[in-house]
Amino acid sequence: TQLLEQSPQFLSIQEGENLTVYCNSSSVFSSLQWYRQEPGEGPVLLVTVVTGGEVKKLKRLTFQFGDARKDSSLHITAAQPGDTGLYLCAGNPNSGYALNFGKGTSLLVTP
Amino acid sequence: NAGVTQTPKFQVLKTGQSMTLQCAQDMNHEYMSWYRQDPGMGLRLIHYSVGAGITDQGEVPNGYNVSRSTTEDFPLRLLSAAPSQTSVYFCASSSPGIETQYFGPGTRLLVL
Repeated sequence: TQLLEQSPQFLSIQEGENLTVYCNSSSVFSSLQWYRQEPGEGPVLLVTVVTGGEVKKLKRLTFQFGDARKDSSLHITAAQPGDTGLYLCAGNPNSGYALNFGKGTSLLVTP
Repeated sequence: NAGVTQTPKFQVLKTGQSMTLQCAQDMNHEYMSWYRQDPGMGLRLIHYSVGAGITDQGEVPNGYNVSRSTTEDFPLRLLSAAPSQTSVYFCASSSPGIETQYFGPGTRLLVL
């Protein structure tokens, strides 16, 4: 059972375009995390959102946590080739340690 | 500060062979975990540990064993490798109450 559904699965855009990636669930999460993974490397944390309705910005990346804490989105403004990578959302719906990951959105930004 | 290190980076095994994937962290993190990443499947939790001497199963534990004798090390053992275990394996560590997981660079395993 996939607790976190990410869409789209693949995204290919040109430099300068905007994009939004979605992470949805029927479960409530105490927090959600977004990671970026580059080829041949492990995932690296970008942000953690904790409060329902929270918006966090990281340069050209804007992260939002849904009011009901069941979904999150990642918006990239004026994408650059350096944004290319696999974007993963992750969260823990229960108390304890286990972290559930979505399948990821593979982003390609071409010059 | 090396963070999370994994060895080997690449490994080819024949069906039925055994091996141990090594993972070490120098951040004094109590929590450590092993994930496998397969195309179209995302990251799936194999086993995790919340401290030395304590381990538990994740989503896909079958075919894998772990132990945690020290805070720093968390090896993953494949007792009898199967082609279905061909994957990229990531080790991660974190501290209690701090949800950021720090991942190693991964071990790419091919079982023939």
